[in-house]
Amino acid sequence: DGGITQSPKYLFRKEGQNVTLSCEQNLNHDAMYWYRQDPGQGLRLIYYSQIVNDFQKGDIAEGYSVSREKKESFPLTVTSAQKNPTAFYLCASSIRDTDEAFFGQGTRLTVV
Amino acid sequence: DQQVKQNSPSLSVQEGRISILNCDYTNSMFDYFLWYKKYPAEGPTFLISISSIKDKNEDGRFTVFLNKSAKHLSLHIVPSQPGDSAVYFCAARFFSSNTGKLIFGQGTTLQVKP
Repeated sequence: DGGITQSPKYLFRKEGQNVTLSCEQNLNHDAMYWYRQDPGQGLRLIYYSQIVNDFQKGDIAEGYSVSREKKESFPLTVTSAQKNPTAFYLCASSIRDTDEAFFGQGTRLTVV
Repeated sequence: DQQVKQNSPSLSVQEGRISILNCDYTNSMFDYFLWYKKYPAEGPTFLISISSIKDKNEDGRFTVFLNKSAKHLSLHIVPSQPGDSAVYFCAARFFSSNTGKLIFGQGTTLQVKP
C-alpha cells in the first residue's frame, strides 16, 4: 500500500534537546511539506521541498531544519532554538506542487 | 496576516440536515481551493477541491461553491451524517515563484447530532 508515514506518533523530549521527526512516502511524490498544528490556528507551513536536495522556508521556519537527500524522505529537526516546540506536526506530499497534498498521521511532540 | 479565514470555530447540525462551512480569503492570486477533513490525532484527508475558473464542484454529498468577487467559498454537506463530525479545513494555493504551497484556514469543528 502506498502512503505517507510519520514516526513516532507520540514523542517526548526535554527542553533544550534537538529532536528529529521522520516522514517517509512511497507515493513517488516530488513535493513534500511540514506543517504544524496548534489549537485554533489551523495548519502553518514550516518547510517544503519541491525536489530532492532543495527546500524552502515556510511561514514559521525559525527553530526548525530539514533535509531532502532522498525523494522518499523529508525529516524535520526541531532544534532547541524553537521557542514553543510542543505541537502536532504533520507531514504531507504531492505529485508536484500543483496537486492536492496527502497527509501522514502526524506526530505529537511534547517538550517538558 | 491570515490569508485564509474560517470565522466559525464550530458548527452543530442535526443528522439529515445541510451543513454549510464557510471560508474567506484575502489574496486574489489564489487559483485553487481545497477542503480537508480531520479527525483528532490524525492527518487531514482531502475532501474536495475547486479551481478558480469554476464556481461549483460537486462530489456526492459534498459541494463546494466559489464566489470570486466576494473572495468566499463554502462547503455544503447534504445530508449530514454523524460520521461527518470532524474538523474541516479550507486551504488555498497560488503559484508564485513556482511554489504551490497550501495556505490553511483555522478550521471549523462540525458536530452532526443523531
